[in-house]
This record gives sequence, C-alpha cells and structure tokens, in this order.
Amino acid sequence: KNEVEQSPQNLTAQEGEFITINCSYSVGISALHWLQQHPGGGIVSLFMLSSGKKKHGRLIATINIQEKHSSLHITASHPRDSAVYICAVHNTDKLIFGTGTRLQVFP
Amino acid sequence: KAGVTQTPRYLIKTRGQQVTLSCSPISGHRSVSWYQQTPGQGLQFLFEYFSETQRNKGNFPGRFSGRQFSNSRSEMNVSTLELGDSALYLCASNLEWGNTEAFFGQGTRLTVV
Repeated sequence: KNEVEQSPQNLTAQEGEFITINCSYSVGISALHWLQQHPGGGIVSLFMLSSGKKKHGRLIATINIQEKHSSLHITASHPRDSAVYICAVHNTDKLIFGTGTRLQVFP
Repeated sequence: KAGVTQTPRYLIKTRGQQVTLSCSPISGHRSVSWYQQTPGQGLQFLFEYFSETQRNKGNFPGRFSGRQFSNSRSEMNVSTLELGDSALYLCASNLEWGNTEAFFGQGTRLTVV
C-alpha cells in the first residue's frame, strides 16, 4: 500500500463544476503540499499546509491531521485548470508523493 | 525575481555514459532538492542539499550523486547510465526544505538509449 494515496486518478469535468481531489496518507508529517503539473513537465506549488485550510483564488485546500486526509477543491473550474494535481507529504527526512490526479475540464 | 533554472532541458545519452544536470535556485534560497519522475514510479525524491551539505537522501543507488556550490547552485550526476534512468529530473529550491513553499524548475528530460 502506498504511503500517500490520491483519488480519483482521473477526473473529467465541465467548465464551471466544483471539483474535489482527495489525498490520504499513512505516515507522520510536518507538512503537506499540493502541486500542479502541466503537460511539458513544469510543476507549480499551489499550497503548503500543516493544519486547517488555505484559499487562493478559486482553489481551496484543507487538511485534517487526525484523519490524515487532505482535500483540494477547485470552484468554478475552467479548462485552464486541466493538469495533473499531486499531493506530497514531508515525512521527517523525505518527501513522499502521491501518484497524481489527472484533471480535464471541458468547455 | 528569476525562477529556478535547470539546464539542459533535454538530453540524450547512451547506456554506460554519465551525465551531469544543473540547477540554479532562486536567489537567497539555500535548499535545493532533486526528484526523478517516470511514468512507472511517479515522482520520487533523490536528495536535498543545504549550504553545500547533503542533508537528506532518497532510496536511489550510489550511481546517483550530487553536490552544491557556495552560490547554492547544484548539480546532480548519474554514472553508468541505464535505460531505466530515462526520466524527467526536477529540482526545487526552498528557503527551508519541506516546511516552506517549494519552487520547481522546468526539469531536464533525460533519454538513455
């Protein structure tokens, strides 16, 4: 079993829909990161969380430390949100990545 | 300010050769970390450097090594290349690895033939 699990693996949506991507982990962490990767490889850090909730524009990330679970929400999705979203946890001396969620938003 | 710069962007090497990849972090960032991304294994952590010292290392063979210079630029080296080393190699810079926002470079796509 992977130490960081993401669901779903693939997600398609119509423009304007509300989207949720989930991340569960089984190790102790000091921080959790949500990353966005567009075709071509470039990765952008969206959020870094150690507790609670953060919001940036249409993106919201939450984390529940007791349940070892985090969610990334996208409100009013747009085709430019199409990308792979990756959850990563910082565990003592290493960063462990989820396998990613491929999101496609259609107009 | 300038972002994280990785060079070269693309590279083709032959099995058995060695390769050196370069990463220039954001000015003021002293932590540089390296990652390998393959279709089969996803993203995996290689190592992290801070002030010229390797502080953390992932589960990769000794053929994978790195170093960091006094200006925080980092290089990673892979010796005796294998076909399975074909991957996208990404570096990231932080003020403090893991607990601050990471800024990623565009990556170097290495193909081993």
